[in-house]
Amino acid sequence: AQSVTQLGSHVSVSEGALVLLRCNYSSSVPPYLFWYVQYPNQGLQLLLKYTSAATLVKGINGFEAEFKKSETSFHLTKPSAHMSDAAEYFCAVSSYRGSTLGRLYFGRGTQLTVWP
Amino acid sequence: GAGVSQSPSNKVTEKGKDVELRCDPISGHTALYWYRQSLGQGLEFLIYFQGNSAPDKSGLPSDRFSAERTGGSVSTLTIQRTQQEDSAVYLCASRDQNTGELFFGEGSRLTVL
Repeated sequence: AQSVTQLGSHVSVSEGALVLLRCNYSSSVPPYLFWYVQYPNQGLQLLLKYTSAATLVKGINGFEAEFKKSETSFHLTKPSAHMSDAAEYFCAVSSYRGSTLGRLYFGRGTQLTVWP
Repeated sequence: GAGVSQSPSNKVTEKGKDVELRCDPISGHTALYWYRQSLGQGLEFLIYFQGNSAPDKSGLPSDRFSAERTGGSVSTLTIQRTQQEDSAVYLCASRDQNTGELFFGEGSRLTVL
């Protein structure tokens, strides 16, 4: 079975401060890991993904995440928060079953607030 | 179309009525998901279709919920005898099997009065 735990349902930072959104996963097989962002009244869009290549993954809007197998973590970071980063962020895990990528399991989400 | 299309975008119905929500995935995507997002809640998995395999229905909350995917393309989520607790945004997504990326529609907002 696979699962994702996002620590902290709400994170608040000041504009210009470091953003750190935590994600820990559980998987008995090599995982594929994703971060999605949801802006108010919109669908989800992909920020970045880890697919067993480089452990440090860079995504859109200056976000990056590092896959740490020893810690079973895939935390999302951004050096300097911007007001436009305020949104809900979801971490997700999946894996291959044979030649097919299996079901995607999402965390409960972290709401990021950015203060001016 | 270029993206995942869902209809209707908004649906208001009376308790006890049946509703159908439609999802038109990206052409060629073999995997299709339905999720439910309630106010203040995360994404609740409902059902997953993968090609011609039997769907994973493990997330459907009750037998009032059902979904079909005809011809491996368009999917319909049906909720029978709607209850107020069914009020939520229902999100559909299709997956690019090559990249693993899930593409989401804008969602169908259901309000049960």
